[in-house]
Amino acid sequence: AQSVSQHNHHVILSEAASLELGCNYSYGGTVNLFWYVQYPGQHLQLLLKYFSGDPLVKGIKGFEAEFIKSKFSFNLRKPSVQWSDTAEYFCAVNEDSNYQLIWGAGTKLIIKP
Amino acid sequence: EAGVAQSPRYKIIEKRQSVAFWCNPISGHATLYWYQQILGQGPKLLIQFQNNGVVDDSQLPKDRFSAERLKGVDSTLKIQPAKLEDSAVYLCASSPLPGAGELFFGEGSRLTVL
Repeated sequence: AQSVSQHNHHVILSEAASLELGCNYSYGGTVNLFWYVQYPGQHLQLLLKYFSGDPLVKGIKGFEAEFIKSKFSFNLRKPSVQWSDTAEYFCAVNEDSNYQLIWGAGTKLIIKP
Repeated sequence: EAGVAQSPRYKIIEKRQSVAFWCNPISGHATLYWYQQILGQGPKLLIQFQNNGVVDDSQLPKDRFSAERLKGVDSTLKIQPAKLEDSAVYLCASSPLPGAGELFFGEGSRLTVL
């Protein structure tokens, strides 16, 4: 069965540090990839998505993610984090032939001011 | 644009009691999803509706969970009887198209079963 792994469950960084959150998936076919974010007390919202084309995807708030097909990865990056980036980040994947999203367990990111 | 509305936000019940959650999706969104999110895990799909028809309910524990979407708009998720392991946040999401991947979530209903 398809699965999504987010290796870091908790990440603590200082402001201005660079961020990279890992996401790996198990399916070998054509996939669509997503990062969702949940800020404290708020609902889940889409951060960025990849369907096809340029494997470097830019999202909101300065986030970007790179799809590396050979590594089955879709890591989320931000060059300089802010305190307001404190949130939980979820990676999700669906196959082109099956629209159901498979979710990772999430990474809780805490930014120290 | 109004977002996805859910109620109640919080509910505490004893095991074997019943509970119902309500969801009003974004106007015009044909696809509605109910997810269960247990602490420390990602969301798990319980049921997906396309208009008022069920597209996928393969992970819905049908002996105790039921859901309906009358008239293709609002939806209700019911648990009867509740078990301790049902303690979770129940998320409702909607999207304009199935498979679009961009889901619009409500704030969730947190259930605690004692």
